[in-house]
Amino acid sequence: DAGITQSPRHKVTETGTPVTLRCHQTENHRYMYWYRQDPGHGLRLIHYSYGVKDTDKGEVSDGYSVSRSKTEDFLLTLESATSSQTSVYFCAISPNSGASNTGELFFGEGSRLTVL
Amino acid sequence: SQQGEEDPQALSIQEGENATMNCSYKTSINNLQWYRQNSGRGLVHLILIRSNEREKHSGRLRVTLDTSKKSSSLLITASRAADTASYFCATDAFRGGSNYKLTFGKGTLLTVNP
Repeated sequence: DAGITQSPRHKVTETGTPVTLRCHQTENHRYMYWYRQDPGHGLRLIHYSYGVKDTDKGEVSDGYSVSRSKTEDFLLTLESATSSQTSVYFCAISPNSGASNTGELFFGEGSRLTVL
Repeated sequence: SQQGEEDPQALSIQEGENATMNCSYKTSINNLQWYRQNSGRGLVHLILIRSNEREKHSGRLRVTLDTSKKSSSLLITASRAADTASYFCATDAFRGGSNYKLTFGKGTLLTVNP
């Protein structure tokens, strides 16, 4: 299994509080992603990173920020959590490096967030 | 919005039967992938087919790609109860640079009854 660890795995928080989810990889892969998964919507990309300090928005980035200060860690922050951000969040990594792109994403086990 | 859309949304079959799931997408792609997700777990990559390929096999899996129709199908032969899971197609339009990302469909929930 790819070395991806998400923390926390479960969290319940109140509306308006800040929340940070952490994704840690031991594979030294270039790309890291945060997706959210909701019933009826499948997986939607929030943000992704293609290197240290290099990040870009996905299709549902509003209300989220990310940081990647080192290769192995990709943090997802909800500055002020809302009930609409109740979801299961998945981190994924990819070794894609352009010419040698294998295309495959490896996923973590998910972080279930409930915002009351 | 989703690039890929799977059909059907749910499929229930008996063990030993074949299961076919379809995926349609909207824009031109570089490759298309299929993933599996067991309940409460992360997604696991099954197979990748490139835009210049028409068919690919991996064990009991057979994937076809028709770029003229912007569609793909995943066939699981001789299904087993352990194949019960959600199946997702994912596409990318990567042409180089730094924007490699996959767009996932909403998935097909496959139930294989013993």
